[in-house]
Amino acid sequence: EVQLVESGGGLIQPGGSLRLSCAASGFTVISNYMSWVRQAPGKGLEWVSLIYSDSSTYYADSVKGRFTISRDNSKNTLYLQMNSLRAEDTAVYYCASGAAFDIWGQGTVVTVSS
Amino acid sequence: QAVVAQEPSLTVSPGGTVTLTCGSSTGAVTSGHYPYWFQLKPGQAPRTLIYDTSKKHSWTPARFSGSLLGGKAALTLSGARPEDEADYYCLLSYSGARSWVFGGGTKLTVL
Repeated sequence: EVQLVESGGGLIQPGGSLRLSCAASGFTVISNYMSWVRQAPGKGLEWVSLIYSDSSTYYADSVKGRFTISRDNSKNTLYLQMNSLRAEDTAVYYCASGAAFDIWGQGTVVTVSS
Repeated sequence: QAVVAQEPSLTVSPGGTVTLTCGSSTGAVTSGHYPYWFQLKPGQAPRTLIYDTSKKHSWTPARFSGSLLGGKAALTLSGARPEDEADYYCLLSYSGARSWVFGGGTKLTVL
C-alpha cells in the first residue's frame, strides 16, 4: 500500500528543537518531490519546505534558517529538523509526495508553548 | 513573498455550479504557476483535486475542473453535492518552482 506516516510531533518549549519524520511505503522518497505543509489552529494551509529528486531544497521565508528538510534513502524517510521553535510554529504538519501532491500523510501535531 | 488571494467563502445550491478563483499579487496567474487545488475537510488530510492548472487525479470527481480565467486560476464545481462542502485551497509556484504559496482558502457551503 502506498502511504506516508508522519511522527515526531509533540509539545516543545519556545526555542527548542524537534525532528519530524515521514516514513514512506509503496514508493521511494528519492524518486519523488517531497514536501512539508502545515496548518496552524484555525488557519489555512502553509507550504513549509520541499526537496526535489536532485536533492535541492527550498523553504518558506517564515522557516528559512531554522528548519532543514532532508531524506534518508536507506530508511525511505523524509525529515524536517525544526530549530529555534516559536509559538507561531504550532500546527499540524503534513508531508506530501509527488509533483502532483499525490499522497499525503495524516499529519503530526506540533505545539510550541511554555 | 507573493500573496495568493481566494474568496473567503462561497455558497452554492445542491446541483448548482460555482467557480472559485485564485489570484496572485504579482500579476496574472499563468500555467507557469502550476496551479493546484486541494480540498480540506475537518479532521482529514488535504486531498489534491487538480494539479498543473487542469489535470485531475484518478480520484477527482468529474464535476470538478480547473482552468485559467481572467488572469486567475479557477476551480469550477458543476453539479454540487452536499459532500462537496469543505475548504478549498489553491497553491501557486513562484521563482522557477523554488517557492510555493497557498491561498487563504475558500469555505464552500452547499445549501
